[in-house]
Amino acid sequence: GAGVSQTPSNKVTEKGKYVELRCDPISGHTALYWYRQSLGQGPEFLIYFQGTGAADDSGLPNDRFFAVRPEGSVSTLKIQRTERGDSAVYLCASSLGTPRSEAFFGQGTRLTVV
Amino acid sequence: TQLLEQSPQFLSIQEGENLTVYCNSSSVFSSLQWYRQEPGEGPVLLVTVVTGGEVKKLKRLTFQFGDARKDSSLHITAAQPGDTGLYLCAGARGGNEKLTFGTGTRLTIIP
Repeated sequence: GAGVSQTPSNKVTEKGKYVELRCDPISGHTALYWYRQSLGQGPEFLIYFQGTGAADDSGLPNDRFFAVRPEGSVSTLKIQRTERGDSAVYLCASSLGTPRSEAFFGQGTRLTVV
Repeated sequence: TQLLEQSPQFLSIQEGENLTVYCNSSSVFSSLQWYRQEPGEGPVLLVTVVTGGEVKKLKRLTFQFGDARKDSSLHITAAQPGDTGLYLCAGARGGNEKLTFGTGTRLTIIP
């Protein structure tokens, strides 16, 4: 596709369950970012990949959150033992990875933990 | 913790009026970006400013980066209903690192 694609667009899960959120970046983009946006707030940084490696994971809130990008393209954000406080929109963005290159955002996955 | 504070948080004005949104921080950023976000969509980049004191214009929108690179403003002239949305500022400290987003300004233009 032409843009960043995130699936699913909506996910409802029960407290304590495991979820995976997928991000397909723009082809050729080496940098990939995950952000979390709570209702009425700006996005908060979670993790940044350059290629296959996590260059900065300082935004992950705790060890229940983990993200991978095994082939340097698609990325999966994994959340274990979900809690109601994890409910938010999870945004993925990608860029060329060159200095100040524009980041393009996907439409997000709305996660609701009940 | 949001390092970038935006004001006002909500703004509702009549079509044709002018408005200014502010983005303030105690931290220095190497660049600052402004985004607009529609419901159910991700943020879309409007502009990037990199030099202290820089002013950029995008049709009816004027963006300014503070001299000390700690703050920025967005001014809209003759607002139109199509300007309605959530406006976000975001700062970067490196060449291509994570963005620190502001708290957001939800703008509504009344026809």
